[in-house]
Amino acid sequence: VVTQSPDTLSLSPGEGTTLSCTASEPVSSGYSAWYHQKPGQAPRVLIYGASTRAAGIPDRFSGEGSQTDFTLTISRVEPEDSGVYYCQQFGLSSFTFGQGTKLEIK
Amino acid sequence: QVQLQESGPGLVKPSQTLSLSCTVSGASLSSGPHYWNWIRHRPGKGLEWLGYISSDGRTRYNPSLRSRLFMSVDTSDNEFSLKLTSVTAADTALYYCARSDYTNYVYFDLWGPGTQVTVSS
Repeated sequence: VVTQSPDTLSLSPGEGTTLSCTASEPVSSGYSAWYHQKPGQAPRVLIYGASTRAAGIPDRFSGEGSQTDFTLTISRVEPEDSGVYYCQQFGLSSFTFGQGTKLEIK
Repeated sequence: QVQLQESGPGLVKPSQTLSLSCTVSGASLSSGPHYWNWIRHRPGKGLEWLGYISSDGRTRYNPSLRSRLFMSVDTSDNEFSLKLTSVTAADTALYYCARSDYTNYVYFDLWGPGTQVTVSS
C-alpha cells in the first residue's frame, strides 16, 4: 500500500510545498518515482530514482527519501503545476501508485 | 522518437471481454531492458497498474485482477495486447499503455495518450 498526503492543497503562484508518500514496506530508492497528470493527459514523470529529475523538468521540482518515506518538493508553484501528483513504488515485481495529491493553483 | 498508441473498442458490454492493443513505433519492442505495461484510470479514482509483459512473454499481473487478465506480445507487429474478461461497469476507465525498464531505475518513462473504454449494455 502506498499512501500520499495531503489529498488536496491549494496554493498561490510562488508558494512552495512538499508532498509526502509513504510505502507500507521498504522499497529501493531506485524504484520510486513521481508523476504529474493534467486533465485529459497521460501522466508525465517528474522524478525517478527518488531524487533524479526527468529530462525537461525544471529544478523547482525536487525529490528525496528512502525506505518507506519519500517526498516531492515544489519550491515555487506556477499555474501550469495544477493537476494531480502521483507517487509510484515498485516492489515484489509489482507497481503500486499512491492515491494522488490534487494541487489547485489559486 | 518512440511512441505508444492504444487501440480497441470504446464500448464493451458487461460480462464480455475487453481487448486492447498498444502499438510501439520508432523502435523495436524487443530492444532494451523494458517491460510493457497497462495502467488504467477509473473515474474518480487514482492510477491503477494492471500488469506488464516483457518482449519474451514474461508477465506479471496485479493480484486483484489476475484471474481476469491476460497479456500477450507480438514482436513481429511490434505490439502488445491486453484482454480483461467478465467486465463490469467498474472496469470503465481510461486505459494507458506505458513502458518501464528494469535496470537501476524502475519507472514509466513513456506513455500512450490513453483510450477510453466504457462498459455498458
